[in-house]
Amino acid sequence: ETGVTQSPTHLIKTRGQQVTLRCSSQSGHNTVSWYQQALGQGPQFIFQYYREEENGRGNFPPRFSGLQFPNYSSELNVNALELDDSALYLCASSLVSGRLFNEQFFGPGTRLTVL
Amino acid sequence: AQRVTQPEKLLSVFKGAPVELKCNYSYSGSPELFWYVQYSRQRLQLLLRHISRESIKGFTADLNKGETSFHLKKPFAQEEDSAMYYCALMAGGYQKVTFGTGTKLQVIP
Repeated sequence: ETGVTQSPTHLIKTRGQQVTLRCSSQSGHNTVSWYQQALGQGPQFIFQYYREEENGRGNFPPRFSGLQFPNYSSELNVNALELDDSALYLCASSLVSGRLFNEQFFGPGTRLTVL
Repeated sequence: AQRVTQPEKLLSVFKGAPVELKCNYSYSGSPELFWYVQYSRQRLQLLLRHISRESIKGFTADLNKGETSFHLKKPFAQEEDSAMYYCALMAGGYQKVTFGTGTKLQVIP
């Protein structure tokens, strides 16, 4: 069983560009959530995907979008990058199986710097 | 709206001293509360959740609905407890987790 992995580890972009971050879920998991963690802050929920459909969204603009693939890997896309998008982006996967609680397992994150 | 407040950015205690990391929340319904921990150079991981009522690594947390608090406690701090601790709340029918800003626990040898 492999854990959650994310790529790339670090990324530098300029304002206005677009970026794609990738997440590979833990084996057997069907749900992935993405979080943004600015320096000195806790993670902020961006959105969640369950069986390839968006299942909930936080207070982020539409230029933040995502995809979940049949193998349950996932992408986070951010268009028209702004300086404030500089942050650590975390993904977390879980197995939603009808139980009330399903532990989320976090990846190591992708550090995005927007210049 | 959901909110989690951790009033202390940094908490320094001596080894063997008691630890209490404070967490207050606001949510109109019945949330699930968690503590997550991030050790140096490691990823964020779940420490404990209020429903399980477990003691993990000597830590416990009691949900006080009257005071809307979920403080994390340990009677005797160990050096290996030094880490970043995040209080978190889950509510809303799907797994949206709202995190606090975190408290860095520093255990002084």
